[in-house]
Amino acid sequence: GAVVSQHPSRVICKSGTSVKIECRSLDFQATTMFWYRQFPKQSLMLMATSNEGSKATYEQGVEKDKFLINHASLTLSTLTVTSAHPEDSSFYICSTLRNLNTEAFFGQGTRLTVV
Amino acid sequence: KQEVTQIPAALSVPEGENLVLNCSFTDSAIYNLQWFRQDPGKGLTSLLLIQSSQREQTSGRLNASLDKSSGRSTLYIAASQPGDSATYLCALQGGSEKLVFGKGTKLTVNP
Repeated sequence: GAVVSQHPSRVICKSGTSVKIECRSLDFQATTMFWYRQFPKQSLMLMATSNEGSKATYEQGVEKDKFLINHASLTLSTLTVTSAHPEDSSFYICSTLRNLNTEAFFGQGTRLTVV
Repeated sequence: KQEVTQIPAALSVPEGENLVLNCSFTDSAIYNLQWFRQDPGKGLTSLLLIQSSQREQTSGRLNASLDKSSGRSTLYIAASQPGDSATYLCALQGGSEKLVFGKGTKLTVNP
């Protein structure tokens, strides 16, 4: 069964609105979760690392005020795309690991379309 | 900075054929390498994980090899089936928990 659950799988929103994506670790407590973005025919690009109980670490070029990450519990991390614009349309996917140097588990992904 | 390259970008084969997908990387200081499968519009499914101390891993019709000295990994798929059609991604884990991905190889197995 799924180890990581991500919702929603698909969302269409109007430009200027905010969208929240949830990522839950079902099988183990995840102190760290990773948020990736994937554009068509491109690789997964790490956006940020979500740390339980502390601020997220953002990769270079990712706007932390636009992509708000909250990791309030050991099983839930959320990514909120604020004031979404059409260029934010993409496939967003979360991931976590039990420990360093172990298999990574991914959520089902969220297809965001901003119109 | 780790860079991961996957060749070819796309591959089309007839059913039953054996095939090899390639992954190369620039920094050999890795903890592990993982191969994933991604179906269109879906998340990633882990296929094989090779630790840095290992040379290969096998699961069913899949065999993955790792040669750190040359910065290469291969994914061998035996007796391919139409259900194997997907995009295959390799990813490396370095000094942190972050994964660095290649762009993937889109595989089409024709009946």
